Amino acid sequence: DTAVSQTPKYLVTQMGNDKSIKCEQNLGHDTMYWYKQDSKKFLKIMFSYNNKELIINETVPNRFSPKSPDKAHLNLHINSLELGDSAVYFCASRARRGGYGYTFGSGTRLTVV
Amino acid sequence: AQKVTQAQTEISVVEKEDVTLDCVYETRDTTYYLFWYKQPPSGELVFLIRRNSFDEQNEISGRYSWNFQKSTSSFNFTITASQVVDSAVYFCALSENRDDKIIFGKGTRLHILP
Repeated sequence: DTAVSQTPKYLVTQMGNDKSIKCEQNLGHDTMYWYKQDSKKFLKIMFSYNNKELIINETVPNRFSPKSPDKAHLNLHINSLELGDSAVYFCASRARRGGYGYTFGSGTRLTVV
Repeated sequence: AQKVTQAQTEISVVEKEDVTLDCVYETRDTTYYLFWYKQPPSGELVFLIRRNSFDEQNEISGRYSWNFQKSTSSFNFTITASQVVDSAVYFCALSENRDDKIIFGKGTRLHILP
C-alpha cells in the first residue's frame, strides 16, 4: 500500500492549458503539502493544508490553486500553464508539526511545451 | 528566520572513500528538528534521519553517521566506505517546533565513481 500517492507521474502539456495533479495519503496524517522542485533541485514549499484548512500559502502565482476535499486528499490545479511551471511537484504529508518528518509522494514531473 | 545552508553543491569521490556532507542551519528557536533526506536518480525523496535540538548525541546507522553540533549550528552527514548506490542528491532540512513546515537546503549532489 502506497502511503502517499500522486497521479499522474508524468504530465506533458501545452502552454495555456489547465491541468490537475492529485494526491492521496493513507497514513491518517493531519497535514499535507505541495512542494515544487526546480531544475536545480531546489525544494520550495507552495501550500499546506491541515485538516482541510489552508495554513501555508507561499508566494505562488494565483494560477495555482490547491483543493482539499478531505484530510486524506490534496489536489493541485494549475491554470494557464507557462513554460516556467515545468518542474517536479511533490506532495507530502506529516502527522504533526515539530519533530515529525514528511512522507513524500513519488513526484509528478510536469513539462510545459 | 530559519535557514539551511549546504555549501557543497556537488561532490565526487571514488568508491570506498569516506565522504562528509556539510549542513549549517540558522534558527532563533530553542526547540527545533533537523532532518536528512536522500533523492536517488529515480527521483523519490527518502527520509534518512531526524534529530531534535536537545539531543546532540551522534548517530550511526551502518555506513551512515551524523554529527550534530549546536555550538557551530551544524548537522553533518558522513558516509563511510561509499558505494555507487550512495550516488544521490542529499538534502538537509530544518523544522522549528511551532512551525508548520520544513525548510530544505539546496542539496548536495554526490557522485560515487566506480
